[in-house]
Amino acid sequence: NAGVTQTPKFQVLKTGQSMTLQCAQDMNHEYMSWYRQDPGMGLRLIHYSVGAGITDQGEVPNGYNVSRSTTEDFPLRLLSAAPSQTSVYFCASSANIPGLAGGPSYEQYFGPGTRLTVT
Amino acid sequence: SQQGEEDPQALSIQEGENATMNCSYKTSINNLQWYRQNSGRGLVHLILIRSNEREKHSGRLRVTLDTSKKSSSLLITASRAADTASYFCATDARKAAGNKLTFGGGTRVLVKP
Repeated sequence: NAGVTQTPKFQVLKTGQSMTLQCAQDMNHEYMSWYRQDPGMGLRLIHYSVGAGITDQGEVPNGYNVSRSTTEDFPLRLLSAAPSQTSVYFCASSANIPGLAGGPSYEQYFGPGTRLTVT
Repeated sequence: SQQGEEDPQALSIQEGENATMNCSYKTSINNLQWYRQNSGRGLVHLILIRSNEREKHSGRLRVTLDTSKKSSSLLITASRAADTASYFCATDARKAAGNKLTFGGGTRVLVKP
């Protein structure tokens, strides 16, 4: 298994440009999520999905869109890039859906990250 | 503010010493997880402790959970230079908080050889 893959690894955008960060997993995980990590900080949740066709907002969703047309893929779209979106972006997946009382508990698998710079 | 908050923010120790870091959270949880992040890499899962467990071990790692105080600790015994990394706690809160795992700000650990 390749696990969670992310492309590209690095990207430089100009303000106002749009792009899509790709994320794919081959573990048949229901739950996928996108985080951003700013220097010296923890991860902040952008969007998440509990299954194909279902997405929801996280802590910092503004300026980002997601879709989940298949179990495997969970792309993150930046609609109009801003310097404040300069960050490292991580995609993660899990066999477990967090928040379900009494449900099974599984780890999150993280991709290697995409380092995005917006000038 | 974030559900999980780690303390201290940074820790510097000598190889062979123990490293202890703490995590506090605000709401009821299903489980709490600890992750490690080496510089420039993604996060790697270390250990998960359920809300009905008080202590868990994995190799040189020991995790405790005190749900009455809403806190957890991660102890790394006999530290090695390779343990240099940032460590994050993540809480899987009950459904009212949404279907999400919330990460704290992390503890940066430097193990000096």
